[in-house]
Amino acid sequence: DVKVTQSSRYLVKRTGEKVFLECVQDMDHENMFWYRQDPGLGLRLIYFSYDVKMKEKGDIPEGYSVSREKKERFSLILESASTNQTSMYLCASSPPGLANGELFFGEGSRLTVL
Amino acid sequence: AQKVTQAQTEISVVEKEDVTLDCVYETRDTTYYLFWYKQPPSGELVFLIRRNSFDEQNEISGRYSWNFQKSTSSFNFTITASQVVDSAVYFCALRGTGGFKTIFGAGTRLFVKA
Repeated sequence: DVKVTQSSRYLVKRTGEKVFLECVQDMDHENMFWYRQDPGLGLRLIYFSYDVKMKEKGDIPEGYSVSREKKERFSLILESASTNQTSMYLCASSPPGLANGELFFGEGSRLTVL
Repeated sequence: AQKVTQAQTEISVVEKEDVTLDCVYETRDTTYYLFWYKQPPSGELVFLIRRNSFDEQNEISGRYSWNFQKSTSSFNFTITASQVVDSAVYFCALRGTGGFKTIFGAGTRLFVKA
């Protein structure tokens, strides 16, 4: 069964801490994405990557960075967590070259920053 | 700019009722793709359907049906004879030409009561 796996379902961190959210997919997909989901706002794209070591900013990249050292792994980094980054974070992947390809999502990581 | 509007925040129905979830989109692209995803309480978004801008045929899959109308920029989703298992958050999404970014609506939370 193909999967996108996010390392932590629930995290609680303190303001100012560095936070790593890990995502691994086993479908050999080139494209990977990080979204955050907030009530009333839907999903908003933070960063995406279309190849190893490649990254592009999404709509809300401020306060975040990403790392893609291997094809299957895409990490989201909060350099200094703030309370307004409390949210649900969703990782997704999609195959290359298909503009109509659907996204495959992980189960999400719910981050609380105190 | 691209935008997806799901005006219904929450809908509550009784089992076996039919329910329609509305989706209105904005884009200047002539080629684009529309999607619906379901997010059950477990959190993982699941792909339901895609439509490209050149295919206005309605689609039916079991109890689910989709009505795509370019004239009104709408892509509505109807569940016939709803069941408790249909309770979830449903997202409508849009991807334009250029391929990487998928824009999501705010989502509609559907409650189906037994």
